[in-house]
Amino acid sequence: GENVEQHPSTLSVQEGDSAVIKCTYSDSASNYFPWYKQELGKRPQLIIDIRSNVGEKKDQRIAVTLNKTAKHFSLHITETQPEDSAVYFCAARTVNNNNDMRFGAGTRLTVKP
Amino acid sequence: ETGVTQTPRHLVMGMTNKKSLKCEQHLGHNAMYWYKQSAKKPLELMFVYNFKEQTENNSVPSRFSPECPNSSHLFLHLHTLQPEDSALYLCASSQDGGRAEAFFGQGTRLTVV
Repeated sequence: GENVEQHPSTLSVQEGDSAVIKCTYSDSASNYFPWYKQELGKRPQLIIDIRSNVGEKKDQRIAVTLNKTAKHFSLHITETQPEDSAVYFCAARTVNNNNDMRFGAGTRLTVKP
Repeated sequence: ETGVTQTPRHLVMGMTNKKSLKCEQHLGHNAMYWYKQSAKKPLELMFVYNFKEQTENNSVPSRFSPECPNSSHLFLHLHTLQPEDSALYLCASSQDGGRAEAFFGQGTRLTVV
């Protein structure tokens, strides 16, 4: 089955700086890569996703890049704000197959004002 | 509100009890998931159902028994659990094709005493 590795496990940045979280996956059949944000005591919520036919996707201050050959994808947050502080999870899934969706171990991001 | 509802929100049970967790979605999704979230293994995939058929059982102990009577409802039956099973149990659902985003329920905080 799929195995997703995520780094770093914790990340602390100053407000206004950029944050980058990296993930690798093992199953070359994976074709959908979402990123979730989970605030304390709340459910994970999708912030951005990318499919395997696209190399990069951007939505305001967040962007995701995908390198299918190397089987890794990254989340980039620019101009970080204190409200970006949360745990971020990457995931890999094979859509239209068994829908097995595996998550990375999470990154606790702290943005210091 | 994401359209995925879990009950109960909190559950305390003894090791000899039998209880069930319920998940309901009316988003028309065809895949439903159970995840276990603990400090040791965040977002650990337990079971996947596609069109009511179980397609993934991630080596989960038999004291956890899933049931999917229809594509809108998912249960997790609990029997003779151990204290280490205490965790947040999250249900999610998704749809093949088009938007592949998985939506999570609020989770059930389970404590085994």
